[in-house]
Amino acid sequence: KQEVTQIPAALSVPEGENLVLNCSFTDSAIYNLQWFRQDPGKGLTSLLLIQSSQREQTSGRLNASLDKSSGRSTLYIAASQPGDSATYLCAVDNQGGKLIFGQGTELSVKP
Amino acid sequence: GAGVSQSPSNKVTEKGKDVELRCDPISGHTALYWYRQSLGQGLEFLIYFQGNSAPDKSGLPSDRFSAERTGGSVSTLTIQRTQQEDSAVYLCASSKQGANEQFFGPGTRLTVL
Repeated sequence: KQEVTQIPAALSVPEGENLVLNCSFTDSAIYNLQWFRQDPGKGLTSLLLIQSSQREQTSGRLNASLDKSSGRSTLYIAASQPGDSATYLCAVDNQGGKLIFGQGTELSVKP
Repeated sequence: GAGVSQSPSNKVTEKGKDVELRCDPISGHTALYWYRQSLGQGLEFLIYFQGNSAPDKSGLPSDRFSAERTGGSVSTLTIQRTQQEDSAVYLCASSKQGANEQFFGPGTRLTVL
């Protein structure tokens, strides 16, 4: 059974710092991995999707990497801003559609 | 273009009543998913529709839960005889086809009194 773990559960950083969020999964036979952000009381916003054949994806200040063999993904956020404050969720798809989510990392970027 | 929409945004009901939650996926998306987010359980998969194939119902927690998708577009999640433990945010997502990027709606917050 696939299990997804995110560390840390919460993170507080000063504005301008670069930071890394971690995601690990127990079954490496995945189709893809997706990172989302969730603002309080809102739905999920897709940030990056990494297919199983890819090593990384980049969008603006965000870079996500995938190491299937070790069951790990990282989300790197460069030059963090207060507007980046949200909960970041990692999800893996290893059954052709349904996502298995981690518990999320709650990020707070202080001005 | 328009994203995934869900209605109602909030629903308060009494224990034992039936509720219907609606999801309008992104136009042209063939796959539609329902998830539930609760404080104790995090985000969990409920059901998945892909085109005209039989839906994957493996995540439905009990036979009080059912969903249908009419005309390959709009979906309705029905919860019969609601219980307090059904209180959660119900999220719908769609994608172009299975195993691709999923786009989520804003969710329906269900409170069962």
